[in-house]
Amino acid sequence: DGGITQSPKYLFRKEGQNVTLSCEQNLNHDAMYWYRQDPGQGLRLIYYSQIVNDFQKGDIAEGYSVSREKKESFPLTVTSAQKNPTAFYLCASSNWRALAGTLAKNIQYFGAGTRLSVL
Amino acid sequence: KQEVTQIPAALSVPEGENLVLNCSFTDSAIYNLQWFRQDPGKGLTSLLLIQSSQREQTSGRLNASLDKSSGRSTLYIAASQPGDSATYLCAVRRIYTDKLIFGTGTRLQVFP
Repeated sequence: DGGITQSPKYLFRKEGQNVTLSCEQNLNHDAMYWYRQDPGQGLRLIYYSQIVNDFQKGDIAEGYSVSREKKESFPLTVTSAQKNPTAFYLCASSNWRALAGTLAKNIQYFGAGTRLSVL
Repeated sequence: KQEVTQIPAALSVPEGENLVLNCSFTDSAIYNLQWFRQDPGKGLTSLLLIQSSQREQTSGRLNASLDKSSGRSTLYIAASQPGDSATYLCAVRRIYTDKLIFGTGTRLQVFP
């Protein structure tokens, strides 16, 4: 089955600890994204990557880091510098290259999410 | 700065009612607008996407309209069912980017 897999489903972080959230896609999409969702709020963009070995900061990148060494994988590290990490984290992917000059839909497809809590 | 607002924040209706969910955005320079569904504790599922040049899109009992000049979109759900209970999010895509700006969502409860 094609899709986006996020793991783990639940994650607990101790104070001062870095934790890494996994996101893997087998949709052959070029672009991948990380969002944070807090209760009663919409999704906010943390980081995104349009191509392997390149990524851009989103609106709330402080305290987070990413890498894009493979097309299929876009892991997110929540560092100890992120003082309020408790949230629901969502990974998405899209066929960015279909966007330019066409009416292609370029829909973003989402994983099931990882809920991060602080111990 | 693009801001996206959804009204109402929550809605509870009996089964069978026709519903309208509203989404407004402040900057009309968008590429498209998407409506998503999110079940509790789950990821997002794309329902409908409307390109900026389009006025509406339909899928089954769902119909989404877009009035770019006034910065508004509506999601119409016909003959609501308990299985429609979820949070509905709209998101706009800025022109020349693939970044989405999300609204805060409408939490819908349809009771039998």
